[in-house]
Amino acid sequence: AQSVTQLGSHVSVSEGALVLLRCNYSSSVPPYLFWYVQYPNQGLQLLLKYTTGATLVKGINGFEAEFKKSETSFHLTKPSAHMSDAAEYFCAVSPNRDDKIIFGKGTRLHILP
Amino acid sequence: EAGVAQSPRYKIIEKRQSVAFWCNPISGHATLYWYQQILGQGPKLLIQFQNNGVVDDSQLPKDRFSAERLKGVDSTLKIQPAKLEDSAVYLCASSPTARTRGNEQFFGPGTRLTVL
Repeated sequence: AQSVTQLGSHVSVSEGALVLLRCNYSSSVPPYLFWYVQYPNQGLQLLLKYTTGATLVKGINGFEAEFKKSETSFHLTKPSAHMSDAAEYFCAVSPNRDDKIIFGKGTRLHILP
Repeated sequence: EAGVAQSPRYKIIEKRQSVAFWCNPISGHATLYWYQQILGQGPKLLIQFQNNGVVDDSQLPKDRFSAERLKGVDSTLKIQPAKLEDSAVYLCASSPTARTRGNEQFFGPGTRLTVL
């Protein structure tokens, strides 16, 4: 079955440090992959997505992710964390050839001053 | 452009009571989704509409949950009767095009339901 695994339900980084949120997927077809962010008391917002083409995808707010087929990974990174990045981040996969997406359990990012 | 609107934002009920949630998608968006997000988990799709027709309701507990999208715009999700395990955030999302892989889904703020 197609699925998404996010390593670490909570991640803490210091302000200005590198952010790395890990995501591994399984898919029986070439995957479409997404990262969504959820700020407190708000809905989910698309950060970035990979469909085809360039494997390094740039998103909003300085985030980027790299699709690595050999590792079945789609890790999210940001070079320098900001306090406003504190939120919950969801990795998701589109496992079929339609618009349905399957979400991971999420990783809550904490930014330490 | 106004986003996806949901109401109420919070609801507390006792088990066996009924509850209804309302969603107004972004104007012109053909596809509407209802998700259930239990604490500590990612959103799980309950039902998907294409205009006013149901595309997928395979994950909807039909013995207690129902949903409709009259006139292909607003939608309501109802639970009757509620169980303790229905406590969750109910998210509505919409998408502009018809079942296209890679579509961005636009989410509302959600309704947090607590069943006592």
